[in-house]
Amino acid sequence: SDELTQPPSVSVSPGQTARITCSGDALPKQYASWYQQKPGLAPILLIHKDTERPSTTPERFSGSSSGTAVTLTIRGVQAEDEADYYCQSADRSGVYVLFGGGTKLTVL
Amino acid sequence: QVTLKESGPVLVKPTETLTLTCTVSGFSLSESRVGISWIRQPPGKALEWLAHIFSSDGKSFNTSLNSRLAISKDTSKSQVVLTVTNMDPVDTATYFCARVVVGVFNNNYYYVMDIWGQGTTVTVSS
Repeated sequence: SDELTQPPSVSVSPGQTARITCSGDALPKQYASWYQQKPGLAPILLIHKDTERPSTTPERFSGSSSGTAVTLTIRGVQAEDEADYYCQSADRSGVYVLFGGGTKLTVL
Repeated sequence: QVTLKESGPVLVKPTETLTLTCTVSGFSLSESRVGISWIRQPPGKALEWLAHIFSSDGKSFNTSLNSRLAISKDTSKSQVVLTVTNMDPVDTATYFCARVVVGVFNNNYYYVMDIWGQGTTVTVSS
């Protein structure tokens, strides 16, 4: 069955660039979204349609896509970016919704 | 302003049925390409999609819980109801509803949960 795979954790120093990759066989056919979740709060939408950034998302967040993987890039990481990040898409049929397992971003 | 709010019991007993309501404002459940999704998150674990319903009344369910889930909407009340039968302690989680926008762009399908409710925590225990 289709799945989305993310690394469990990524660590980066303040001001550096963090990259979180999500891979899945359905991604060439289905757009992906990225969500940020801080402890005790609901997720918020960061990126949709692989690369599009809502007006509320800071410009340091960007998304890219290549084949069976999508990547969330955070340039100039700030302490406030420490959170869990989830990719989301649909399976190849477009019927079922998929989430990645989440990546915990630690700002050293 | 678009908002969603989940409501339901805080505690349910094993084997009981959970009924959760998502009340929305700032948009209509009859809008095309718009739906409501339910997602849950057990303590310390990842997000898990459960089900969705669209304005057309089209529905889909997570295959691993398919037989236990039901979803319906009351457009006049701006509410979507999720029921989960035969609750078990492993169903203890925070349950979220989210607005979904779907479509096709450049021949690819998109499914975006753009606004989320704050979530409601449900504990399953006798």
